[in-house]
Amino acid sequence: NAGVTQTPKFRVLKTGQSMTLLCAQDMNHEYMYWYRQDPGMGLRLIYYSASEGTTDKGEVPNGYNVSRLNKREFSLRLESAAPSQTSVYFCASSSPHMGTEAFFGQGTRLTVV
Amino acid sequence: RKEVEQDPGPFNVPEGATVAFNCTYSNSASQSFFWYRQDCRKEPKLLMSVYSSGNEDGRFTAQLNRASQYISLLIRDSKLSDSATYLCVVNPTGNQFYFGTGTSLTVIP
Repeated sequence: NAGVTQTPKFRVLKTGQSMTLLCAQDMNHEYMYWYRQDPGMGLRLIYYSASEGTTDKGEVPNGYNVSRLNKREFSLRLESAAPSQTSVYFCASSSPHMGTEAFFGQGTRLTVV
Repeated sequence: RKEVEQDPGPFNVPEGATVAFNCTYSNSASQSFFWYRQDCRKEPKLLMSVYSSGNEDGRFTAQLNRASQYISLLIRDSKLSDSATYLCVVNPTGNQFYFGTGTSLTVIP
């Protein structure tokens, strides 16, 4: 049981380049999330999706686009990377039932130079 | 005001010590509460859920105080392997998880 899988695990981008982070979960969860984690800031929600075809902004959506490709997969795209987007990105998934936990992928370490 | 606030620490305690972490949350209607553990450069993992009546899992005890809107985690008989960052997490509505900034714990031999 793989749980939540993120690709890639590491990436270095030049300013202005684009890239897509991919997330897949095999737990049949309805909800999927993208967070970024920066020192001293904790985990901050970028976007989330409650079901296939729906997405909603979180706390820090600027500079990102997302797509819920199907129930299993949720992608995060940086169209024109900036150094401020250097961070660790985590994907998570959960069921909609109150009291259930979120499960996380292993994270993507992104550096924008 | 942040949804969840935690003392970042760091807490440096000797093996065998008891240590307690607290966090506060802003949404009084929140229904789901958790403590997660995060090891360096790894993903957060659920340590335990926090129930209204309080709950215990071995050396770990979690409590919820709705009147004061805070959540606590007590670790007894600390082990070296308990060294990590502990994240307080609140899910007010069922569809978003709000994380505290985390409290760093180092258990010293």
